[in-house]
Amino acid sequence: DQQVKQNSPSLSVQEGRISILNCDYTNSMFDYFLWYKKYPAEGPTFLISISSIKDKNEDGRFTVFLNKSAKHLSLHIVPSQPGDSAVYFCAASVSHTGNQFYFGTGTSLTVIP
Amino acid sequence: ETGVTQTPRHLVMGMTNKKSLKCEQHLGHNAMYWYKQSAKKPLELMFVYSLEERVENNSVPSRFSPECPNSSHLFLHLHTLQPEDSALYLCASSQDAVTNTGELFFGEGSRLTVL
Repeated sequence: DQQVKQNSPSLSVQEGRISILNCDYTNSMFDYFLWYKKYPAEGPTFLISISSIKDKNEDGRFTVFLNKSAKHLSLHIVPSQPGDSAVYFCAASVSHTGNQFYFGTGTSLTVIP
Repeated sequence: ETGVTQTPRHLVMGMTNKKSLKCEQHLGHNAMYWYKQSAKKPLELMFVYSLEERVENNSVPSRFSPECPNSSHLFLHLHTLQPEDSALYLCASSQDAVTNTGELFFGEGSRLTVL
């Protein structure tokens, strides 16, 4: 059973507008969340993370929001740029318990110039 | 040198072949991982090594055999695979394998096709 779900396989956004990528999780023990970005023929690269003690973390154009009661997190990209076109994965873990990160299936973002 | 390098990038093998995937990390990390990415499925953790010791084996069939000779190198030995094993195999490393609050650094992956 998938513990981390990204229900939108794809998203298209106009350049300059906001991109919102969503992720839901089922395990209430998860307390650390990450977003990864993957270009074709490359491995995923870390983008941004958030601990469950926060509800928002911002890094430049990227902001991650965490709603623990809804078991939902989202990644906002503002403004979106064509170079942001990639597959975005969210991941979650229970910190200090070992090595398991649980990943979603990814959302393919296309930013249209 | 990039942080995590994987070879080969592409591999085609028959079901009776024996082959190996190689991963090398240049980041001084203590933990290394093998993940499997199949089409339309989430990344699945296969193996974790911490300081060259296997600490996790996620019910992976014995036809996949990992080896970690030192903290910089990780191998995945493949033997009598099935066509459903065709996937992208990703190697990753992290500073440590305990806290789970650090990021994973991924290689570019090895695309495996089993005929």
